[in-house]
Amino acid sequence: EIVLTQSPGTLSLSPGERATLSCRASQSVSINYLAWYQQKPGQAPRLLTYGASGRATGIPDRFSVSGSGTDFTLTIRRLEPEDFAVYYCQDYGSSTRTFGQGTKVEIK
Amino acid sequence: QVQLVQSGAEVKKPGASVKVSCKASGYTFTNYGISWVRQAPGQGLEWMGWIKPYNGYTNSVQKFQGRVTMTTDTSTTTAYMELRGLRSDDTAVYYCAREDQWLGFYYFDYWGQGTLVTVSS
Repeated sequence: EIVLTQSPGTLSLSPGERATLSCRASQSVSINYLAWYQQKPGQAPRLLTYGASGRATGIPDRFSVSGSGTDFTLTIRRLEPEDFAVYYCQDYGSSTRTFGQGTKVEIK
Repeated sequence: QVQLVQSGAEVKKPGASVKVSCKASGYTFTNYGISWVRQAPGQGLEWMGWIKPYNGYTNSVQKFQGRVTMTTDTSTTTAYMELRGLRSDDTAVYYCAREDQWLGFYYFDYWGQGTLVTVSS
């Protein structure tokens, strides 16, 4: 079973700064099966990105994904106030759909 | 538009069962899988399992096998998740999510609003 480890646990940044979130898999995964979700307090998660370059409807292009194999990165180019939230990576495996434990992006 | 509307909050005693519903609308129900994800208070997302409404195929995480049953009613486009033998650590918000795939990419594109299940004596 694949384990996804996200780091850091918490990222303290100011609006306008760049956020770099890491997702490391215990074994190689296809980026086609990797998705990122954003969750704000009291809300359901929201699909953010899928694959290497897919963004869900309404997601701005300041969100981008890179990586391959076991190491993936979600980058938020310039943080806007609405971007402060918890972010989860997910591997859509053939039999399981594993989530990382999440990275909280908080206002510094 | 696509919507997944879940049933309301539940309070259950240890050992009891809970059945959460997820009413789907705005798309062809049998064309997409439904996953169930839970989130304990202050914790991350935990995938529980999924069901394929087209044929009722299910798969769940080993830790829930024997305690969870996922079903669908295609006539009402509703998915159900029943969890038996509830324990205090089953207290969580339970979400249903639609599985989608497009051009070889796979993801959960729509989520229900969540159902809080509290297990307490």
